[in-house]
Amino acid sequence: AQSVSQHNHHVILSEAASLELGCNYSYGGTVNLFWYVQYPGQHLQLLLKYFSGDPLVKGIKGFEAEFIKSKFSFNLRKPSVQWSDTAEYFCAVNAGGSQGNLIFGKGTKLSVKP
Amino acid sequence: NAGVTQTPKFQVLKTGQSMTLQCAQDMNHEYMSWYRQDPGMGLRLIHYSVGAGITDQGEVPNGYNVSRSTTEDFPLRLLSAAPSQTSVYFCASKGPTYNSPLHFGNGTRLTVT
Repeated sequence: AQSVSQHNHHVILSEAASLELGCNYSYGGTVNLFWYVQYPGQHLQLLLKYFSGDPLVKGIKGFEAEFIKSKFSFNLRKPSVQWSDTAEYFCAVNAGGSQGNLIFGKGTKLSVKP
Repeated sequence: NAGVTQTPKFQVLKTGQSMTLQCAQDMNHEYMSWYRQDPGMGLRLIHYSVGAGITDQGEVPNGYNVSRSTTEDFPLRLLSAAPSQTSVYFCASKGPTYNSPLHFGNGTRLTVT
């Protein structure tokens, strides 16, 4: 069965630090990959997505992610985090089946200290 | 533009009670789904629908029923609530193109005592 692993449960950074959140998936075929963000008390919002083409994907709010097929990875990065980036981040994959059905990782909580 | 609307926002049930979580979208999306979110577990797919009259099970369907009589509405029914169903429930919809993202509702926080 497909699965998504997020390596960090909770990451604490100071403002202006760089961020990298790890995401690995298990599926050998074609995948569509997503990062969602959930601010405290809110619903999930799409940060960025990868379907095909350039493996370096740029999203909203200065986030980017790189798809490395050989490593089954889709890590999220941001060069300089802000206090407002405090949230929970979810990696997700759609691998076959209905295009809307996503498998989510368990999430990474990011706390940014001002 | 309301997007995906879920009601209620909060609900407390006693074990064995039944209830329906409502979900409506005004984007004419064919695809709709229900997820539950539990701490440390991420989101898990309960049921989904690719159009009116069509529903299918996701990863954790037991204890939940769904129906899709219209494109707009996709209610989730708990026939006999159990404490294990205490969770935050999110409804989502998706547009027709292959790269359309999921649009999530604001969630329903359900507690079963």
